[in-house]
Amino acid sequence: DTAVSQTPKYLVTQMGNDKSIKCEQNLGHDTMYWYKQDSKKFLKIMFSYNNKELIINETVPNRFSPKSPDKAHLNLHINSLELGDSAVYFCASSQRKTSDTGELFFGEGSRLTVL
Amino acid sequence: AQTVTQSQPEMSVQEAETVTLSCTYDTSESNYYLFWYKQPPSRQMILVIRQEAYKQQNATENRFSVNFQKAAKSFSLKISDSQLGDTAMYFCAFMKPPVLGGGADGLTFGKGTHLIIQP
Repeated sequence: DTAVSQTPKYLVTQMGNDKSIKCEQNLGHDTMYWYKQDSKKFLKIMFSYNNKELIINETVPNRFSPKSPDKAHLNLHINSLELGDSAVYFCASSQRKTSDTGELFFGEGSRLTVL
Repeated sequence: AQTVTQSQPEMSVQEAETVTLSCTYDTSESNYYLFWYKQPPSRQMILVIRQEAYKQQNATENRFSVNFQKAAKSFSLKISDSQLGDTAMYFCAFMKPPVLGGGADGLTFGKGTHLIIQP
């Protein structure tokens, strides 16, 4: 069973469209994240959710809206897509216990291409 | 805020050689976690090794070991007997401990080193 799964793996769309990427984890973790990996491979955190509550919202345009229906799911919705949104988006999860080293488990990434 | 610096954008070595990837970081915390993640062409992010700052002993995982120098804020990764399958991007990452909010902050990554193992 895949621990952190994202769908779709690839997404090609036109500028101005709205799209969503779904993420589910079956590890029982309480914290989930979205990371963006740009064309230079740099990974930067976008959002962090703990038990369905938004903890971090880095300097991300408000066209990006995360939604966490329960602690096993964290979806990313993007409105009015722009060329600069083209990237690989990674979902990840971790367990935020004091006794845990906090290792992040990553999904396989979703490559978004905006034309 | 923490920063992580990887000064080698790309490295290339012959199969079976030993290679060391460098990483330095900046933090005011005394306790934290450091990680090396590997990203092969498949794109999957794979944990290679982790180090807890309060442990003086350097972590090892089979052919992978680290040289952790806390005072110098240095965390290099050594790969022994390199194999073709080690070809990948390698990311150094920092995390505060969960009790200090690290779990919510997630990982801060360096820009990565592209390691190529030549046959």
